[in-house]
Amino acid sequence: KQEVTQIPAALSVPEGENLVLNCSFTDSAIYNLQWFRQDPGKGLTSLLLIQSSQREQTSGRLNASLDKSSGRSTLYIAASQPGDSATYLCAARTGGGNKLTFGTGTQLKVEL
Amino acid sequence: DGGITQSPKYLFRKEGQNVTLSCEQNLNHDAMYWYRQDPGQGLRLIYYSQIVNDFQKGDIAEGYSVSREKKESFPLTVTSAQKNPTAFYLCASRDMTSGGGREQFFGPGTRLTVL
Repeated sequence: KQEVTQIPAALSVPEGENLVLNCSFTDSAIYNLQWFRQDPGKGLTSLLLIQSSQREQTSGRLNASLDKSSGRSTLYIAASQPGDSATYLCAARTGGGNKLTFGTGTQLKVEL
Repeated sequence: DGGITQSPKYLFRKEGQNVTLSCEQNLNHDAMYWYRQDPGQGLRLIYYSQIVNDFQKGDIAEGYSVSREKKESFPLTVTSAQKNPTAFYLCASRDMTSGGGREQFFGPGTRLTVL
């Protein structure tokens, strides 16, 4: 059974800092891994999707990497801004492609 | 405007009542999903459907029912058999065609509170 863990559960950084969010998964037989952002009381917004054959994906100030062999993915946020404050969730797709298993998220606060 | 809509945004239910949460998408996605989110826990899959008139149970289907009569719609009924229904419910959809990217997209959610 796939288990996804995100550490730390919460993170507070000053504006402008570069930061890394971590995601680990127990079953390396994944189809892809997706990173999401969730604002309080809102739905999930897809940030990046990395296919199992890829090592990284970039979108603006975001860069996500994937290391299947070690069961890890990281989300790198460059030059953080207060608007980046949200909960970031990673999810690994397994089970014949039908199942997306979520981590519990990292709550990020970027302070002025 | 393409996307996933969920209604209502907030829903209050008395104990013993069934309630139905609406989910509609105009993305022409084949697959649709229902998740439940509780504080401090990851999203948990309730039901999913990959084609009209077919659906499968997820990890926590007990006390819930769904239907998929149209490609665009996947309503979720929370029955009185669900012992702890107070939660945030999220609907999602995904393109299953080849080359569709396979990202999963989410609606804005419905917060259900049992009084």
